[in-house]
Amino acid sequence: GAGVSQTPSNKVTEKGKYVELRCDPISGHTALYWYRQSLGQGPEFLIYFQGTGAADDSGLPNDRFFAVRPEGSVSTLKIQRTERGDSAVYLCASSPRGQGGGYEQYFGPGTRLTVT
Amino acid sequence: GDSVTQMEGPVTLSEEAFLTINCTYTATGYPSLFWYVQYPGEGLQLLLKATKADDKGSNKGFEATYRKETTSFHLEKGSVQVSDSAVYFCALISFAGGTSYGKLTFGQGTILTVHP
Repeated sequence: GAGVSQTPSNKVTEKGKYVELRCDPISGHTALYWYRQSLGQGPEFLIYFQGTGAADDSGLPNDRFFAVRPEGSVSTLKIQRTERGDSAVYLCASSPRGQGGGYEQYFGPGTRLTVT
Repeated sequence: GDSVTQMEGPVTLSEEAFLTINCTYTATGYPSLFWYVQYPGEGLQLLLKATKADDKGSNKGFEATYRKETTSFHLEKGSVQVSDSAVYFCALISFAGGTSYGKLTFGQGTILTVHP
């Protein structure tokens, strides 16, 4: 079946612009996660959705970052007033359930964001 | 807070050599431990996992044992192949308070290159 998909695969934007990154999880997966991976580092947690609600947004770095999942499927990560430090690969993952560590998270290919 | 530390890389080996990538962790609660792999041009994939002390996770000839006493989860393979060249990430999900939302905490990654 189809895996997690993310669009666009690459995004180049100018400092100060607004961007939206999209994640389409595996059908039926109720849990959805966003992570950010800077060059040479491991992914860092940003936000977790269980269904439509953000159950944990403790990883969002500041109020320029926001994410939604209005129908409990597709999610959009929104970044306002982008800064050069936001340049990274943004990863999305989905899982059949969020609670409990026994459920594998399936990762998408990521969106590489470059802020010039 | 939770953290994962991996051995410094990159690691370069000849085909059929023995591989060890060290991983140690700090966590509140009783974590589940994971190794993820990222092949060139591909997304993160779960390689193996262990959910309790002394468990051994194994897959594709790789194995790692959950050592609570040394807070370690070292990855090993007896005979590496060129196709094992990838970036390997150690990660954990913490169960502080008996609950978890499945938020992964990753190490910084270890680049493995295997030469014929």
